Amino acid sequence: DIVMTQSPLSLPVTPGEPASISCRSSQRILHSNGNNYLNWYLQKPGQSPQLLIYLGSNRASGVPDRFSGSGSGTDFTLKISGVEAEDVGVYYCMQVLEIPFTFGPGTKVDIK
Amino acid sequence: EVQLVESGGGLVQPGGSLRLSCAASGFTFSNYWMTWVRQAPGKGLEWVAIIKQDGSQIYSVDSVKGRFTISRDNAKNSLYLQLSSLRAEDTAVYYCARVAVWELRDFDFWGQGTLVTVSS
Repeated sequence: DIVMTQSPLSLPVTPGEPASISCRSSQRILHSNGNNYLNWYLQKPGQSPQLLIYLGSNRASGVPDRFSGSGSGTDFTLKISGVEAEDVGVYYCMQVLEIPFTFGPGTKVDIK
Repeated sequence: EVQLVESGGGLVQPGGSLRLSCAASGFTFSNYWMTWVRQAPGKGLEWVAIIKQDGSQIYSVDSVKGRFTISRDNAKNSLYLQLSSLRAEDTAVYYCARVAVWELRDFDFWGQGTLVTVSS
């Protein structure tokens, strides 16, 4: 199975400041079609997860442009250009190249 | 409006069985792959199983193979997860989710989840 790791696991942020979360996979998740099969989800407190980014760098419908995804191969990054209070929650990366799909452990983002 | 509503969770003894349902509305259910994801209390997300539009392809994580069965009834716009031989470690909130585009494997809508507690 592809193992996903994330860092940091906890990220206190100041509103308006940028934030960055790293995700690493134990194997390359770059498909031969050129796509990285890496998605990002945010689970806000008390809510179900919501899709933020698909194929490594594509924002899902309705996701603010302060969120961006980058990376390729085994190393990926989710960036928030200026954190807002509504962005608190746990962020998960997930590889969807191979079955079983696997999630990272999550990064908890909260306000300082 | 896309809606996914899970039901069927509850308290069950180890070794017992349960069937979870996910009622879909607001979209053409038969056009989409569907999936189950679970979350143990205070823990992270774990992908469980996925099923193609017509049920002809099914995949699941090894830890549930032979015990959990994903299925669907397109006429009823419903997704199911049959849980059997339940263990304490199966205790979790179970979410159903829609796969927006199979080629992207993006889970774009999620239900609110249903809690399964396995305990004697």
